[in-house]
Amino acid sequence: NAGVTQTPKFRILKIGQSMTLQCTQDMNHNYMYWYRQDPGMGLKLIYYSVGAGITDKGEVPNGYNVSRSTTEDFPLRLELAAPSQTSVYFCASSYSGDSYNEQFFGPGTRLTVL
Amino acid sequence: EDQVTQSPEALRLQEGESSSLNCSYTVSGLRGLFWYRQDPGKGPEFLFTLYSAGEEKEKERLKATLTKKESFLHITAPKPEDSATYLCAVQALGSGTYKYIFGTGTRLKVLA
Repeated sequence: NAGVTQTPKFRILKIGQSMTLQCTQDMNHNYMYWYRQDPGMGLKLIYYSVGAGITDKGEVPNGYNVSRSTTEDFPLRLELAAPSQTSVYFCASSYSGDSYNEQFFGPGTRLTVL
Repeated sequence: EDQVTQSPEALRLQEGESSSLNCSYTVSGLRGLFWYRQDPGKGPEFLFTLYSAGEEKEKERLKATLTKKESFLHITAPKPEDSATYLCAVQALGSGTYKYIFGTGTRLKVLA
């Protein structure tokens, strides 16, 4: 099992550009999550999905969009990138949403918006 | 407001020098408290889940404990490879979304 994979590992964007961060898991997990991690701050939930075709907003969804067309993939779309979106982005997955199933994290994507 | 606070922010230990990391939490209802380890440039890696006050879990040199207001991660005789950032998170009851609240972490450095 590869677990949770993310691409790209690093990316530099100019203000106003768009991009998609890719996330794939091979553990047949129903739940998937996108977090951002900023220096000195805890992980903040951007969006989550409880299954294919179902997504919902987390704590900081503004400026982002997601889709979940398959169980395996959960891409995060940034439209009109802004410097405030400079961060490290982590995708995670879990079998279910309850506390008996821990979240597995990907290696992260470090994004800089200049 | 639901909140998780970790202390200290950073900790330097000599190899073999035992210590504890603290995670204090305020949530309306606790489903579970999680400890993760995060190495530089990598994603968090799951260590433990604790569910109720009095519960303890161990893994190698790490032991996690839980009270009604806080959790401790005890590190016994640490080695340099234990150097990492340790994150605490709680899963709170709330509008059916099973939200997780993460602390800002404790950066641990173990010196040989």
